[in-house]
Amino acid sequence: DAGVIQSPRHEVTEMGQEVTLRCKPISGHNSLFWYRQTMMRGLELLIYFNNNVPIDDSGMPEDRFSAKMPNASFSTLKIQPSEPRDSAVYFCASSSYRRDEKLFFGSGTQLSVL
Amino acid sequence: AQKITQTQPGMFVQEKEAVTLDCTYDTSDQSYGLFWYKQPSSGEMIFLIYQGSYDEQNATEGRYSLNFQKARKSANLVISASQLGDSAMYFCAMREGGTGGFKTIFGAGTRLFVKA
Repeated sequence: DAGVIQSPRHEVTEMGQEVTLRCKPISGHNSLFWYRQTMMRGLELLIYFNNNVPIDDSGMPEDRFSAKMPNASFSTLKIQPSEPRDSAVYFCASSSYRRDEKLFFGSGTQLSVL
Repeated sequence: AQKITQTQPGMFVQEKEAVTLDCTYDTSDQSYGLFWYKQPSSGEMIFLIYQGSYDEQNATEGRYSLNFQKARKSANLVISASQLGDSAMYFCAMREGGTGGFKTIFGAGTRLFVKA
């Protein structure tokens, strides 16, 4: 298996533009997580899905952020409109539906909003 | 509320010595899992070790061991015989939940510097 695949690896955009981050989880995993990493706030859980259904989106910072999982093999995190404070590394992770299962992380998307 | 606390922003250790990275957690669940991940400067997240809340023995994986003290709600990572390649960011994480899925949250991390 290729692991969790995120795209793009790097995204540079201007304030006000729409940004879409993509994630393909490991086949067979039914839980998917989106995290944001910054120096100031560490690794924040934004949202997670179980069997394509959003379970907890309490970490989504504001209405500008939205996430979807239309099927078991694809998820998006969208920021519209983007702001400079959204600059961070965004990680997608997947796992099976078990308490003792580790998370498998993608390589992350480095987002810079100018 | 679910919470993970890592109070050491940075730690230094001499090569070949042991080091303990602290982690405390807060949860109202009886069943949960505790994890440690390593993030080197390249940015990838690497799983190190797991401890279940009902496990009576402390987990060990090679040079890594987890000092689990359930009553104190602590899950410290011990790295024995430190190597230069151990220099990285280390995150403690907790996974809990049930019917709706298993939520995993992370502490702020500890940056470890191994000196030659």
